[in-house]
Amino acid sequence: AQSVTQLDSQVPVFEEAPVELRCNYSSSVSVYLFWYVQYPNQGLQLLLKYLSGSTLVKGINGFEAEFNKSQTSFHLRKPSVHISDTAEYFCAASDTGRRALTFGSGTRLQVQP
Amino acid sequence: DVKVTQSSRYLVKRTGEKVFLECVQDMDHENMFWYRQDPGLGLRLIYFSYDVKMKEKGDIPEGYSVSREKKERFSLILESASTNQTSMYLCASTPGGGFQPQHFGDGTRLSIL
Repeated sequence: AQSVTQLDSQVPVFEEAPVELRCNYSSSVSVYLFWYVQYPNQGLQLLLKYLSGSTLVKGINGFEAEFNKSQTSFHLRKPSVHISDTAEYFCAASDTGRRALTFGSGTRLQVQP
Repeated sequence: DVKVTQSSRYLVKRTGEKVFLECVQDMDHENMFWYRQDPGLGLRLIYFSYDVKMKEKGDIPEGYSVSREKKERFSLILESASTNQTSMYLCASTPGGGFQPQHFGDGTRLSIL
């Protein structure tokens, strides 16, 4: 089964600055990768997903992530953040042959004016 | 838009009670999921269902059971609630063929006293 590590529990950043949220997964022959966002008092929304193909994946709200097989990473990036991006972000992974997703512990992005 | 509705946002119960958490989705999705979310642990899968009356255990099924009598409704049951089941519970759904949840409810914050 996959394990997912989000090294940063909190990331403070100023508005309009770039941001990278880090995610590493345990090695596997093949893997599906996901990023979700959770705004305060809400459920999770799917931001983007990697199933196969291009290693650069674009998602909603200007976010993108890059699948790096050699480093077993799937870091989330945004070139310029807004106050409204303040939320908790979860990385998740599953082996393609296994159904259930494994979630990381989450990274709280705090965008300051 | 897909809507996943959880019947209660907040619930307070006593130790030993039988507790029912209800979830309804309106998009005819085959797959439904129950997760619990705890600080620092991310989301952990309790059970999922891939069809009416069909279910599979997730990573932490102990102390829980589920019921899916109709396609749109997936219930989580705490047979005899204990204080260590105090948590945020999230229901999710996804169309058939995908076992990675795409749509989440807003969650039920359950406190067991």
